[in-house]
Amino acid sequence: DAGVIQSPRHEVTEMGQEVTLRCKLISGHNSLFWYRQTMMRGLELLIYFNNNVPIDDSGMPEDRFSAKMPNASFSTLKIQPSEPRDSAVYFCATNLRISGANVLTFGAGSRLTVL
Amino acid sequence: AQSVTQLGSHVSVSEGALVLLRCNYSSSVPPYLFWYVQYPNQGLQLLLKYTTGATLVKGINGFEAEFKKSETSFHLTKPSAHMSDAAEYFCAVSGNNFGNEKLTFGTGTRLTIIP
Repeated sequence: DAGVIQSPRHEVTEMGQEVTLRCKLISGHNSLFWYRQTMMRGLELLIYFNNNVPIDDSGMPEDRFSAKMPNASFSTLKIQPSEPRDSAVYFCATNLRISGANVLTFGAGSRLTVL
Repeated sequence: AQSVTQLGSHVSVSEGALVLLRCNYSSSVPPYLFWYVQYPNQGLQLLLKYTTGATLVKGINGFEAEFKKSETSFHLTKPSAHMSDAAEYFCAVSGNNFGNEKLTFGTGTRLTIIP
């Protein structure tokens, strides 16, 4: 996860509060992906960007979720208002060139608990 | 469109025994295939990948996988399990490797090592 830095690593909040998760890419990349992981649904792709433009947001659960990528190295995922069912680990990822192939490389994740 | 099926959500093997984690894929185009490992409270790390060329690919930590087109499989193996191999393993597929593609993940297999 050296190329992808996520913050916060852990967030506990109350239902109805706004949550903002952040992702910083250490070096320039064209793509950025937001995934959500839960026990029930496994790993789900929420949205991905290419050249800062959202390409596919069909995985975003509902209007309470929004994502932005204002520049090539930073993105936010916002949940407003948050609900207990949003509790999950949220991963940011990007493609890195490794041994001649593009490899999806993940950050360490942000664990969200909504009470 | 691509999809991945991992057979067995939980696999237990004795330390020193063969590890075999099964993955079958479906793809409308020649697939690019990946295995990722996730240790507790961490993000996903790439174990190995198949893009083109040799169908038997070797990864980190002694793992390898063989792409078998006729069987649409990409099973992960390791000759001798070690306690440190206990983790969750994800198989993934994409339809290209241009750097902007999204991966489709399987539901994961949790590997337990019995001392």
